[in-house]
Formats: sequence, structure tokens, C-alpha cells
Amino acid sequence: EIVLTQSPGTLSLSPGERATLSCRASQSISNNYLAWYQQKPGQTPRLLIYDVINRATGIPDRFSGSGSGTDFSLTISRLEPEDFAVYYCQQYDSSPPWTFGQGTKVEIK
Amino acid sequence: QVQLVESGGGVVQPGRSLRLSCAASGFSFISHAMHWVRQAPGKGLEWVTLISYDGSNKNYVDSVKGRFTVSKDKSKNTVYLQMNSLRAEDTAVYYCARGMSGWYGALDYWGRGTLVTVSP
Repeated sequence: EIVLTQSPGTLSLSPGERATLSCRASQSISNNYLAWYQQKPGQTPRLLIYDVINRATGIPDRFSGSGSGTDFSLTISRLEPEDFAVYYCQQYDSSPPWTFGQGTKVEIK
Repeated sequence: QVQLVESGGGVVQPGRSLRLSCAASGFSFISHAMHWVRQAPGKGLEWVTLISYDGSNKNYVDSVKGRFTVSKDKSKNTVYLQMNSLRAEDTAVYYCARGMSGWYGALDYWGRGTLVTVSP
């Protein structure tokens, strides 16, 4: 089972600032099968990025994904008020289980 | 548009069973894997199970193996999660989600979830 560790646990930033979230895998994700999701309080998770770098339909270009092997990042270039939420990475590489990271909360400073 | 609607949640005693349903519409049901993901109160997301586009392949997280069974009814465009021998730690909101492809793929559409509470 691939374990995903997200850091930091909480990121305190102001609107307009840049956010960089990290997701580290316990073993290499060789097929680049990694996604990022956003979840706001009381809402359903929403797919942001799939296959490491591809934005899902309707996702603004201020969201970008990068990385390879065991180290991956989600960057939000300029935080908008609606971006304050919890973000999860998920791997769907090789065989299931297709695990999630524990989440990073982006909060208003 | 794609819609996923879960139902069947509720309060159940430990050791009892519950069956969740996920009614899908707005897409070709036989072309996509379907997943169940759960979220315990105040906790993160936990992937539970998936069933492949044709129903031939199923996988489970270790904590539910032997207790949960996923299935699909193509005639009803519905996915089911049969949960037996329920435990307190199974208490969570259960989300149904669509995989982007028939097997591998991120989860691009999610239902609103159904709450399962396991309590004496």
C-alpha cells in the first residue's frame, strides 16, 4: 500500500498570496497517477488536478500540479477567498488500495 | 449532466448490516469504474472500494475486506455497497464517485454522500 504524507498540516496565508502544498509518497508513483481534490466545509470533494498536471474541467488556471516519483506539489498562484479549504492528494497507481493523503488545510491568516 | 445520488444510510447497531445505493445518470454507466469513499466525522477521506466498468474487478481497503461487497446493476445504473458486521469505526459519510476511466483514473464526479452511524 502506498502511503501519502501531506505537508504542512495547515497553511495560513492571505488572499493574493501563493500557496504550495506538498504530497510525498512512500514509494514511487511510476505512472503519474496522482490527483488533487479540494473540499470545503460541508461540501463534497471536488477534483482539481489529475495525472499530476492536468486540470479538471472548469478548474481555474491559478491551480497547477507538478512532481514525479515520490514528491508532488499543488500550487495556487494567487489565493482567492473561495480557495480556503482542505486539499487532499490521492494516488491511483498500480494496484488498489488507492489511498488519500491526510489533507492540508489552507486557512486565512 | 452527471449525477450520483446515494441513499441507504442511517443508524445501525454494531454487528448489523446495511446496503447503500448510488444511482447514476448523465453518463455511460458501463464505461466507468465506480468507487466508494468514506469520511469519518471531522476526519479525512478514506478510499473504500471500487468496481470496474464491467463489474469484473473489485478491490477493497483492508479494513473492510470480508465484510463489505460492492456490486453494480447495469439495468438500473446503480452501484451498491453491502456492509455487513458493521463496527463503530465504520461510522462515516459514504460518498459514491465516478472514476475517469474503466479502471485507473481520478474521481471526477462525486455524490453528496450518505451518513452511516454505527451505534448501540
